[in-house]
Amino acid sequence: DVKVTQSSRYLVKRTGEKVFLECVQDMDHENMFWYRQDPGLGLRLIYFSYDVKMKEKGDIPEGYSVSREKKERFSLILESASTNQTSMYLCASPPDIQGSYEQYFGPGTRLTVT
Amino acid sequence: AQKITQTQPGMFVQEKEAVTLDCTYDTSDPSYGLFWYKQPSSGEMIFLIYQGSYDQQNATEGRYSLNFQKARKSANLVISASQLGDSAMYFCAMNRGNAGGTSYGKLTFGQGTILTVHP
Repeated sequence: DVKVTQSSRYLVKRTGEKVFLECVQDMDHENMFWYRQDPGLGLRLIYFSYDVKMKEKGDIPEGYSVSREKKERFSLILESASTNQTSMYLCASPPDIQGSYEQYFGPGTRLTVT
Repeated sequence: AQKITQTQPGMFVQEKEAVTLDCTYDTSDPSYGLFWYKQPSSGEMIFLIYQGSYDQQNATEGRYSLNFQKARKSANLVISASQLGDSAMYFCAMNRGNAGGTSYGKLTFGQGTILTVHP
């Protein structure tokens, strides 16, 4: 019954490292999202993708890039990790029906940058 | 741009009592959807309830109901007969509806409210 998976639940990286967060969905959805969750700020959209190789910036894209080479996989890349990127990262994949209320989230990756 | 505001950082309720979690929103879209999610300490996001902006009746799902007041732009979550397992973070969120252009399913979230249920 697994729908959205993320490569790691917990991750510890050093400042300056290149970090890859992977998200995989098995529902054949077009759209995939990366959100960042911080206390007092809720979830904020980093990037999203509406098709293979297609991507758009969300509200806080600075310091991040993404890759979507295959429909089922959406990767978030921290080119040079910094301590202010310590956060919880959530991947989501809604159905392709416009306005549908179903949203499928991954279990989240708690990233610590030291 | 859409905005969601949750003004209660934390709420406490006694087991078996009802509790209301506040949510106000702002949008210029004519059509939109409002959501509530529960996030236990384990971190997963659990969908609770949805209200479309053109829905005439307030949404209900078991012990959850959404008190939708369109003119006041509020979408409060009411949990009846609270249980210990309801202790969690709760997020209000919104997206564009069908008439609001292509949204790709993007959600705008509030800051969240931590609910603690006391025995």
